[in-house]
Amino acid sequence: DADVTQTPRNRITKTGKRIMLECSQTKGHDRMYWYRQDPGLGLRLIYYSFDVKDINKGEISDGYSVSRQAQAKFSLSLESAIPNQTALYFCATSDFNRGPYNEQFFGPGTRLTVL
Amino acid sequence: AQSVTQLGSHVSVSEGALVLLRCNYSSSVPPYLFWYVQYPNQGLQLLLKYTSAATLVKGINGFEAEFKKSETSFHLTKPSAHMSDAAEYFCAVSGGGGSNYKLTFGKGTLLTVNP
Repeated sequence: DADVTQTPRNRITKTGKRIMLECSQTKGHDRMYWYRQDPGLGLRLIYYSFDVKDINKGEISDGYSVSRQAQAKFSLSLESAIPNQTALYFCATSDFNRGPYNEQFFGPGTRLTVL
Repeated sequence: AQSVTQLGSHVSVSEGALVLLRCNYSSSVPPYLFWYVQYPNQGLQLLLKYTSAATLVKGINGFEAEFKKSETSFHLTKPSAHMSDAAEYFCAVSGGGGSNYKLTFGKGTLLTVNP
């Protein structure tokens, strides 16, 4: 089935370590997004990409970087992890050709803990 | 600019009772509105969306929402709660025109269903 997958699903790391979260999709969508979810804060946009050559910062991009390796793959990196980056991270996709409603489809999430 | 306010971070109902989750939005352009549900340890799943076709929108699992422009509201209801409805619910707004890529989420409402 067409899907959005994220790896790893859980990760514990130490302060200062570099970590990469990966997202793959088989939906054929052109747009991909990274969000973080914190209790009581909802979802906040970190980065988004309209295609392989179009990457944009969201509202909380500091401390993060991304790479769009192919239309189907969008990775999020923490170059030097810090404890306040402990959160649940979601990848999402949408299809420009479906119209302006921008319905987004979400992966299962990666739970990241930075000690 | 756009924003979403969900009134009540936690709502508790009895099984069989009415479910009402409140959402108010702010948008400088005609909005597209969404309700997503997040079950424990899962990603977000679309419940329903308002795309200006009809003010009363029916979604999955018996949920519906009514768009009221005069009240800038998009409250989610279900006539009779089921134990399986226990989850966190997020309201989101998408701006029209050039900003239609961006979803702004509310902080979420956790629904508890008591037997």
